[in-house]
Amino acid sequence: QKEVEQNSGPLSVPEGAIASLNCTYSDRGSQSFFWYRQYSGKSPELIMSIYSNGDKEDGRFTAQLNKASQYVSLLIRDSQPSDSATYLCAVNTISGTYKYIFGTGTRLKVLA
Amino acid sequence: SQTIHQWPATLVQPVGSPLSLECTVEGTSNPNLYWYRQAAGRGLQLLFYSVGIGQISSEVPQNLSASRPQDRQFILSSKKLLLSDSGFYLCAWSVGLLYTEAFFGQGTRLTVV
Repeated sequence: QKEVEQNSGPLSVPEGAIASLNCTYSDRGSQSFFWYRQYSGKSPELIMSIYSNGDKEDGRFTAQLNKASQYVSLLIRDSQPSDSATYLCAVNTISGTYKYIFGTGTRLKVLA
Repeated sequence: SQTIHQWPATLVQPVGSPLSLECTVEGTSNPNLYWYRQAAGRGLQLLFYSVGIGQISSEVPQNLSASRPQDRQFILSSKKLLLSDSGFYLCAWSVGLLYTEAFFGQGTRLTVV
């Protein structure tokens, strides 16, 4: 089982719709969770971090964490064509190291 | 504010040649430093991470090595490149233990021919 799993997509949504991206992780000791956006040919850029169960909102983005289900999600409201990118989920654990484990990413396409 | 510099941006190297990629972080002390590789259309594979000078942890056995000669400098090296070493190499930094975010450099796109 992969440590961090994401559906590779592509996930296609019309402009103005809500895009929902999901991520599951295997290590119950995971404490920190992150969403990154990566445009083609560019390096990942941090969108949000979430550390506690529940929702965290930042502008059009909402991250949701459910540690019992080992599940993290990212909602993008009012999706724009500029949101078209690959979204990477990352996890950090308390296993004695400080490494960030990434999923393979979900490709999002926002259709104008 | 903190910044991370990674160079070169692109590199084309023949099989069997050596490699040296450098990453430096400014504006912070004692960062955690990471090297990731992303193959075409794939996710990020953690290669090495370092929590201090001279402290290197390797995640994937291969013909690559890493060094941290100074607090904010991280170097990725190879003595002889393989075709399979092609990819997008990313340096990242973070500070502290848990509940801390990692930030990436601009990356180096390496093509081994």
